[in-house]
Amino acid sequence: GAVVSQHPSRVICKSGTSVKIECRSLDFQATTMFWYRQFPKQSLMLMATSNEGSKATYEQGVEKDKFLINHASLTLSTLTVTSAHPEDSSFYICSAPVGPSYNEQFFGPGTRLTVL
Amino acid sequence: QKEVEQDPGPLSVPEGAIVSLNCTYSNSAFQYFMWYRQYSRKGPELLMYTYSSGNKEDGRFTAQVDKSSKYISLFIRDSQPSDSATYLCAMNNQGGKLIFGQGTELSVKP
Repeated sequence: GAVVSQHPSRVICKSGTSVKIECRSLDFQATTMFWYRQFPKQSLMLMATSNEGSKATYEQGVEKDKFLINHASLTLSTLTVTSAHPEDSSFYICSAPVGPSYNEQFFGPGTRLTVL
Repeated sequence: QKEVEQDPGPLSVPEGAIVSLNCTYSNSAFQYFMWYRQYSRKGPELLMYTYSSGNKEDGRFTAQVDKSSKYISLFIRDSQPSDSATYLCAMNNQGGKLIFGQGTELSVKP
């Protein structure tokens, strides 16, 4: 199957700092990527849809100025958590669809963010 | 009411047992149904992908969709300790965003 990578796998930072997470499609091109957040024992919640060459689309309740998304190329999307606070600590996962629809999505391994 | 309901478990079974995992949903517009397996601290891995009602089999895994009852199932035959993971159902419309269930934590004991 298609491979999606994420970097870093885990990050610990101080409150108030910014953290950048990279999502790459390794063996295919992705004009669209998705960013999810997952709290312990809970399901994946879609945060935003990243579109190559245009602005990201954010889900209701997600602050676009706090979670900056840049889809720089057909294989790379980045999520920057600005001025991170302890409540932003979570597991962030990206995915990329394969094929013309969004139905089959391949997920990255996730990034564990801990804000002290 | 959540769009997709899934019993979080945990579910513990002995090795070799048949496992039944289920989800119910409320949106009759959903047409595509997926099952993902997620190991601890890893991203989800696509297991099964089904369109509309019916059954689909892949090795030890069988996915069933009953759109009339808004109910989907994943069966695992001859379960193995390596099947221990969280299983997430997901569904959407054509081109729509994926809606996930909460996930069921499965433990298969040797």
